[in-house]
Amino acid sequence: GEDVEQSLFLSVREGDSSVINCTYTDSSSTYLYWYKQEPGAGLQLLTYIFSNMDMKQDQRLTVLLNKKDKHLSLRIADTQTGDSAIYFCAENTGNQFYFGTGTSLTVIP
Amino acid sequence: DTEVTQTPKHLVMGMTNKKSLKCEQHMGHRAMYWYKQKAKKPPELMFVYSYEKLSINESVPSRFSPECPNSSLLNLHLHALQPEDSALYLCASSPARGTAVYGYTFGSGTRLTVV
Repeated sequence: GEDVEQSLFLSVREGDSSVINCTYTDSSSTYLYWYKQEPGAGLQLLTYIFSNMDMKQDQRLTVLLNKKDKHLSLRIADTQTGDSAIYFCAENTGNQFYFGTGTSLTVIP
Repeated sequence: DTEVTQTPKHLVMGMTNKKSLKCEQHMGHRAMYWYKQKAKKPPELMFVYSYEKLSINESVPSRFSPECPNSSLLNLHLHALQPEDSALYLCASSPARGTAVYGYTFGSGTRLTVV
């Protein structure tokens, strides 16, 4: 539940792919989420994945789930400057959400 | 309407002031949440309301007082705050506590500065 880890920073060039990683802790988590937060704004739900899936694709976003290793990743294809933000993974243990530490993505033009 | 609306967007208050933050949703959600977020950190849960009743208080100081007057509204009353309480306060909602299949819907937050 409470120790959901992400790397703090990621920097990519515009047009490249970005991969943001997350390690969660509760194997009973039923849903896992990716949220995006732009400066000064609230959290925007990008996508979610059910724990019995190992992959979900939604336009430029691909979520991979390795339940054995409790590892979740978000791949953004053709990264754009508008993708610069902080990305939080989150796990839903049924009772509560636990957010990861957040990854700040910087896209270099 | 698929939004959570928070007002005001920005608030500056002195340590002796009393102010309130407001959150509103018309999605029929029966669980509503207050989170506090410091810069570059994940949101931290403060309070959970389920069916207009307080179900979780994460040991929040009494200078923060939540109120849920009806199923669409959630308030956070502030009194005698400290400068370290300056943060982004986020409201969220979900259909019911524990059934947030599609995640929580977050408002855009109130940026609070205590001087």
